[in-house]
Amino acid sequence: QKEVEQDPGPLSVPEGAIVSLNCTYSNSAFQYFMWYRQYSRKGPELLMYTYSSGNKEDGRFTAQVDKSSKYISLFIRDSQPSDSATYLCAMSNYGQNFVFGPGTRLSVLP
Amino acid sequence: GAGVSQSPSNKVTEKGKDVELRCDPISGHTALYWYRQSLGQGLEFLIYFQGNSAPDKSGLPSDRFSAERTGGSVSTLTIQRTQQEDSAVYLCASSLEDSFLAGGPPYNEQFFGPGTRLTVL
Repeated sequence: QKEVEQDPGPLSVPEGAIVSLNCTYSNSAFQYFMWYRQYSRKGPELLMYTYSSGNKEDGRFTAQVDKSSKYISLFIRDSQPSDSATYLCAMSNYGQNFVFGPGTRLSVLP
Repeated sequence: GAGVSQSPSNKVTEKGKDVELRCDPISGHTALYWYRQSLGQGLEFLIYFQGNSAPDKSGLPSDRFSAERTGGSVSTLTIQRTQQEDSAVYLCASSLEDSFLAGGPPYNEQFFGPGTRLTVL
């Protein structure tokens, strides 16, 4: 079992749809949970991060962490074609242990 | 302001040749990371530099891989005797400080360069 699992997609949705992206993990020591967005031929950029369990909202984006289930989610409301990218989850504990998921490729169709 | 830059953007080489990949971090960033991204595999951590401390080389896949960081700024990743399985995008990231070691939140985020796409024929 990989340390972080993520559905690779690709995921195609119509413009305006609600998108749900998910990751599961096995290491209960992870405390910090991040979502990165990566456009084609570009490096990843940090979208959101959360610490421990709970929700965090930023505009159209909501990140959820359920540590008891070792499951994290990113929701995108009113999705736009500009949201088309690969979304990578990443997680870390206090030390040098920064683990990325394989990424989910999202296409939002106009 | 200037972000993280990497060169070359693309590199095609023959099996068995050595390659050098360069990363220019954001000025003032003390932490620098190298990752490898293969299709469907996510980002694989390779090596980490923090200030003048000894680098964390725990992610390097073999002794054919090495990296240097001169003067706490520019870093070079060297792959000797390249193999076809080395083909991937090599990403560099820098951050202002390593907040993880300090036990703080990751608000000092890692800023990634555009990557170098390496193809070994």
